[in-house]
Amino acid sequence: GENVEQHPSTLSVQEGDSAVIKCTYSDSASNYFPWYKQELGKRPQLIIDIRSNVGEKKDQRIAVTLNKTAKHFSLHITETQPEDSAVYFCAASKGTDSWGKLQFGAGTQVVVTP
Amino acid sequence: DTEVTQTPKHLVMGMTNKKSLKCEQHMGHRAMYWYKQKAKKPPELMFVYSYEKLSINESVPSRFSPECPNSSLLNLHLHALQPEDSALYLCASSQVGTGARGNTIYFGEGSWLTVV
Repeated sequence: GENVEQHPSTLSVQEGDSAVIKCTYSDSASNYFPWYKQELGKRPQLIIDIRSNVGEKKDQRIAVTLNKTAKHFSLHITETQPEDSAVYFCAASKGTDSWGKLQFGAGTQVVVTP
Repeated sequence: DTEVTQTPKHLVMGMTNKKSLKCEQHMGHRAMYWYKQKAKKPPELMFVYSYEKLSINESVPSRFSPECPNSSLLNLHLHALQPEDSALYLCASSQVGTGARGNTIYFGEGSWLTVV
């Protein structure tokens, strides 16, 4: 089955700096890669996703890149703010499924210090 | 409206109790999910319903019993749970479809379950 590895497990950044989280996946059939942000005590919230027919996607301060050949994808957060502090999960699923069975990475605890 | 609502938000139950978690969505999604999440861990898939039929059971113990009464509702019946079952239980939903477009999964707020 699919295996998703996520690094680093914790990331401390100064406010205003950039943060990068990297994930690798094992199943070349995976073609949908969402990123979820989970604040303490809250639900996972989708912040950005990318499909395998696209190499990069950007939404304001957040961007995701996908390298299908190397089977890895990354989340980039620019100009970090204290409210970006949360746990971030990457995930992968196969569009060949008739539903999106997500395989999650282990998560990255991001701490943005003022 | 990308809303998945879950009740109750918090539940404390004894090991001999029977209780149920409820989930509702009105986005017209025909796939609904139960995930379990322990502290500092990613969500773990428990069950998937597609068109109101159980499609995936990830080897979940029988003390957890899912039910999908209609396309908008999903229940999780709990009986004879153990303290290690204490966790955040997340309901989610998505469209059903195949191909490269993928299916965005929307999570509810979750039900915090404590087994004593």
